[in-house]
Amino acid sequence: GAGVSQSPSNKVTEKGKDVELRCDPISGHTALYWYRQSLGQGLEFLIYFQGNSAPDKSGLPSDRFSAERTGGSVSTLTIQRTQQEDSAVYLCASSLQGAYGYGYTFGSGTRLTVV
Amino acid sequence: GDSVTQMEGPVTLSEEAFLTINCTYTATGYPSLFWYVQYPGEGLQLLLKATKADDKGSNKGFEATYRKETTSFHLEKGSVQVSDSAVYFCALSDTPAQAGTALIFGKGTTLSVSS
Repeated sequence: GAGVSQSPSNKVTEKGKDVELRCDPISGHTALYWYRQSLGQGLEFLIYFQGNSAPDKSGLPSDRFSAERTGGSVSTLTIQRTQQEDSAVYLCASSLQGAYGYGYTFGSGTRLTVV
Repeated sequence: GDSVTQMEGPVTLSEEAFLTINCTYTATGYPSLFWYVQYPGEGLQLLLKATKADDKGSNKGFEATYRKETTSFHLEKGSVQVSDSAVYFCALSDTPAQAGTALIFGKGTTLSVSS
């Protein structure tokens, strides 16, 4: 597609429920990243996919968080047993071949509210 | 580890004032440096970038020069407009040997411009 597409744009869920957030990167971009943006906290790296390599999961805050990328394209970030501290904007970005020298293109994000 | 430090905001200016947002970094290699901007209600957009020492990135009247000796990448604009009101993020990506390493972001600086 023309840009990075994320869905849903807003999600309200009850504490303890599981949620799935979707990211559709720019066609042909091999690198895909998930970040979390909390009020006053800047951008927190969560996970990174590059081609067929094993993902870099070093930023995932707990084992309640997981992500997969099917067919090298669409990615889903799953949060199990949501907590109120999970409330944030979840941003997805993609890049042609990694961030160095290029940066990435971000989607508009999914605003998650856990009540 | 690598890190980015930005001046804390908010920065409040009158239209046509001069803007500087300070950014310094710590990196083990030779990073690429970026400024991203997030307008109200929108996702992050790449504003400008520089990939080696003494490079100057520029876009939309904004400029930033990669200063290796002071490990800085300060953002400047000679005459701000109300439409420049946004959150500005400084970021780095480390060396090609680690290509694909996620961008590391500062916490963001909120700019508010009044007419």
